[in-house]
Amino acid sequence: EAGVVQSPRYKIIEKKQPVAFWCNPISGHNTLYWYLQNLGQGPELLIRYENEEAVDDSQLPKDRFSAERLKGVDSTLKIQPAELGDSAVYLCASSLDNGREQYFGPGTRLTVT
Amino acid sequence: DAKTTQPPSMDCAEGRAANLPCNHSTISGNEYVYWYRQIHSQGPQYIIHGLKNNETNEMASLIITEDRKSSTLILPHATLRDTAVYYCIVPNAGGTSYGKLTFGQGTILTVHP
Repeated sequence: EAGVVQSPRYKIIEKKQPVAFWCNPISGHNTLYWYLQNLGQGPELLIRYENEEAVDDSQLPKDRFSAERLKGVDSTLKIQPAELGDSAVYLCASSLDNGREQYFGPGTRLTVT
Repeated sequence: DAKTTQPPSMDCAEGRAANLPCNHSTISGNEYVYWYRQIHSQGPQYIIHGLKNNETNEMASLIITEDRKSSTLILPHATLRDTAVYYCIVPNAGGTSYGKLTFGQGTILTVHP
């Protein structure tokens, strides 16, 4: 069974440029999460989807970050414009019915120069 | 989430048991204890969870004290591949935060040859 797929694995952009990350969750998992992980820290939740609905986006900086999950499967996280402080690893995870057993992808390492 | 306290780092010899402690003295009666680990450059991986009884699976054992204020994750025969950051998490049992995992800084376990 395929795990959570994320792309790209690495991305280097200049500040003020836009960037997008893509996630394909495990088949059948209706709950999808985006996490941010800074160096040396644990992951922090940005947004949680149940099917197509964003049910917890309280930690998402909405001035520059946006996310969507069309058709309740794949999801895209976008940053526009990127800032130097956005350099981090962006992790996608999925689970069944908002369960605490979450399955994580390998993450996208973003470097903003 | 109930606050958890873990040592920042631990060492273990290959082939020996690794015992990783976690304090969660403010845990409520219906809150579970979850353990995840994160190997370098990978996303977190679910290991095990429990409520009050000891639990064992193919990866590890979880021992929860009778008063539930602390727990120990046991890797019975640690290998070099077990070198990772181990996170002890006590998610909220209900409400809008149900399912939300709050990762702390975890314990860096280094397994030596």
